[in-house]
Amino acid sequence: DSGVTQTPKHLITATGQRVTLRCSPRSGDLSVYWYQQSLDQGLQFLIQYYNGEERAKGNILERFSAQQFPDLHSELNLSSLELGDSALYFCASSVRDNGNTIYFGEGSWLTVV
Amino acid sequence: QQQVKQSPQSLIVQKGGISIINCAYENTAFDYFPWYQQFPGKGPALLIAIRPDVSEKKEGRFTISFNKSAKQFSLHIMDSQPGDSATYFCAARSRSGGSNYKLTFGKGTLLTVNP
Repeated sequence: DSGVTQTPKHLITATGQRVTLRCSPRSGDLSVYWYQQSLDQGLQFLIQYYNGEERAKGNILERFSAQQFPDLHSELNLSSLELGDSALYFCASSVRDNGNTIYFGEGSWLTVV
Repeated sequence: QQQVKQSPQSLIVQKGGISIINCAYENTAFDYFPWYQQFPGKGPALLIAIRPDVSEKKEGRFTISFNKSAKQFSLHIMDSQPGDSATYFCAARSRSGGSNYKLTFGKGTLLTVNP
């Protein structure tokens, strides 16, 4: 158990809908990362937050947004969902923002039908 | 473009054999190279990592070999066991601005170790 908690584990929703994925980082970790994993694209970095502030953006679509709250948990919001958004979404956390050792949660499986 | 190219996509090895997974990169600004192991239904977990100032790092049966001039690094799993069957990702760290860094992952290698 990495200590990173993600909810929900599985989610099925229809195209055009909006979902929110939630992440609780390991105790003491200030940095939260979101990744999308699909068969054809592998692990794609979406966005990073550090102590409530956005630090880096990767291949995140404009329909997606995220935030990190004062208690350090994070949420990834996915809107106007398309079939191609079906993927495994991982949250990861680390103590610092140096990307040395990041700990992944078990992911949230999103299926868009 | 910051990319890490990983090969092979899949690998089948007999128990006791050596598993070798290779990665190549272009960006010379990468400064840290971790390998992650992912079992089905789980998130990736850090396995072993190396910095570019050393050519090899060994931890138990797992060894990273790093060739800075060729911009390549590889993971060797000695005496491969069925319990090593997993997907392995190489990654490379780069600075994304200020004191911030990000990891770029390879596409993964599905390793199957047959008993």
